[in-house]
Amino acid sequence: NAGVTQTPKFRILKIGQSMTLQCAQDMNHNYMYWYRQDPGMGLKLIYYSVGAGITDKGEVPNGYNVSRSTTEDFPLRLELAAPSQTSVYFCASTWGGSSWNTIYFGEGSWLTVV
Amino acid sequence: KNEVEQSPQNLTAQEGEFITINCSYSVGISALHWLQQHPGGGIVSLFMLSSGKKKHGRLIATINIQEKHSSLHITASHPRDSAVYICAVLSGGGADGLTFGKGTHLIIQP
Repeated sequence: NAGVTQTPKFRILKIGQSMTLQCAQDMNHNYMYWYRQDPGMGLKLIYYSVGAGITDKGEVPNGYNVSRSTTEDFPLRLELAAPSQTSVYFCASTWGGSSWNTIYFGEGSWLTVV
Repeated sequence: KNEVEQSPQNLTAQEGEFITINCSYSVGISALHWLQQHPGGGIVSLFMLSSGKKKHGRLIATINIQEKHSSLHITASHPRDSAVYICAVLSGGGADGLTFGKGTHLIIQP
């Protein structure tokens, strides 16, 4: 199993550009998450999904969008990039619900907006 | 919203020392996770626990639900244990995921 695969690992964007961070998991997990990690801060939830076709906002959703058309894939779209979106992004997945289980993270995507 | 506090924020110790990292939270939880993040960023789940104690190799995690407190212990610490250790809690059904502490940056010197 590959686990959670995130791409790209590094990206530099100019202000106003858009991009999509890709996330795929091969564990048939129903719950998927996007977090951002800023220096000295805990991970913050951007968006989450409890299954294909279902997404919801987390704590810091502004400037982002997501879709979940399949169980495996959960891409994060950044529209009109701003310097405040410079961060490290992590995708994660788990089998959630009544039997919440180990959470698996992608390797992270380092994004710089200049 | 649950508040998760970790202490210490930074810890430097000598190889072989017994290490303790603490985590406290403000609201009742379904489960607590300890995670490890190495330089280069990858995050790995070490433990998930909702009561008592778990052990894996040189790592031991304990939780006291009544006191809303958990500890992560490392016995016979080694330089390869150097990493950021993150406490995260799950509240309710957990659809909206975990609430994370800021992490404890551990350095083990040879």
